[in-house]
Amino acid sequence: EPEVTQTPSHQVTQMGQEVILRCVPISNHLYFYWYRQILGQKVEFLVSFYNNEISEKSEIFDDQFSVERPDGSNFTLKIRSTKLEDSAMYFCASYPGQGREKLFFGSGTQLSVL
Amino acid sequence: AQKVTQAQTEISVVEKEDVTLDCVYETRDTTYYLFWYKQPPSGELVFLIRRNSFDEQNEISGRYSWNFQKSTSSFNFTITASQVVDSAVYFCALSEDTGRRALTFGSGTRLQVQP
Repeated sequence: EPEVTQTPSHQVTQMGQEVILRCVPISNHLYFYWYRQILGQKVEFLVSFYNNEISEKSEIFDDQFSVERPDGSNFTLKIRSTKLEDSAMYFCASYPGQGREKLFFGSGTQLSVL
Repeated sequence: AQKVTQAQTEISVVEKEDVTLDCVYETRDTTYYLFWYKQPPSGELVFLIRRNSFDEQNEISGRYSWNFQKSTSSFNFTITASQVVDSAVYFCALSEDTGRRALTFGSGTRLQVQP
């Protein structure tokens, strides 16, 4: 089965630093997403991306977050100035559209902000 | 606004017992999708099922079955003859019918299956 690939699997950063989380969605998928899961809590939607622009975002996705699809294959989430509360597992997902059943999740990047 | 409630925080059963995980949802949409995902200790999210709001037929897949009751806004998940490998956190989720799959997740139910 095709996979969504996320790198790195773990990232440690200092508070105030910028981080970029990387994802390679499944080729020919049309919709891309970032979700996050703070330890022990539920998975929360951050943002969806379609046709090279943000199609939907949650209240969590404030000005310190940005997404980009720089080269037609990668999909990145940038956090400009990390805070302690940004520590979480970040999941990338992609979806083919056309009424297909399944949203494909990557295995996640565990971000630790110290 | 959409909301998914999984009232059972943690369930512990002994192997071979049947177990039902509850999910209650709220939405103003008439067309929507419901999902179940499994999150094993390794952390990935494993898709189990999608059901749309017009399809109230119960579904069975091996030891797994799902009961969708629109009248009570519930989408419950039953594991028959549980096994240790079923130990995981199970999430119920909801999305509106935009095809965009911005899912609203419940808080999850941790299932521990003891040998």
